[in-house]
Amino acid sequence: QSALTQPASVSGSPGQSITISCTGSNSDIGTYNYVCWYQHHPGKAPKLVIYDVSNRPSGVSHRFSGSKSDNSASLTVSGLQAEDEADYYCASYSSTNTLVFGGGTKLTVL
Amino acid sequence: QVQLVESGGGVVQPGRSLRLSCAASGFTVSGYGMHWVRQAPGKGLEWVADIWANGNNKDYVESVKGRFTISRDISKNMVYLQMDSLRAEDTALYYCARDMAFYVYDYWGQGTLVTVSS
Repeated sequence: QSALTQPASVSGSPGQSITISCTGSNSDIGTYNYVCWYQHHPGKAPKLVIYDVSNRPSGVSHRFSGSKSDNSASLTVSGLQAEDEADYYCASYSSTNTLVFGGGTKLTVL
Repeated sequence: QVQLVESGGGVVQPGRSLRLSCAASGFTVSGYGMHWVRQAPGKGLEWVADIWANGNNKDYVESVKGRFTISRDISKNMVYLQMDSLRAEDTALYYCARDMAFYVYDYWGQGTLVTVSS
């Protein structure tokens, strides 16, 4: 059982927007602004798409955005494209000096 | 360019040991925290261990404490994960990752597969 809770799957049509939630606790998301999101295509290395809650690394599309409220974080992907279909993982620094991940969300572009 | 290449995975019996290696290029490991993250078959990502840029601080997920040891060799620009007393639940694809800030992984390797089975 993962420390952070994500929906198992979300889906959307090309051009639409989707939001993936990530629920933690006061020991992680609720206390620290060290929330990241990773995109993972099976068989490839995970790719950082959001860090420190809402920052986008250089080269990542502006269609990816992140936010946080209380003990939960969210990743929004707007203008869905076929290439966005992947697994997405949230991660947060924890008060136990460790990093905790969510269980992952499979994004399907219909 | 930055590259991380893991090696050392394989099939090993429960209770035995294995050492994973992560060869870094395009940067020096002494300037960054380096982490190991694993993914068990059909499961999500799990952070395993880290070694800070200073080389002195190391952290481990509770399930591997006392069994796994992370280390680095600056002269070879390598990071290692010594895994002892392996268990079936350690079966996973192990990734090496570079920490660009504070538990933010900007580069990952392709992973090396560890299978613990009798």
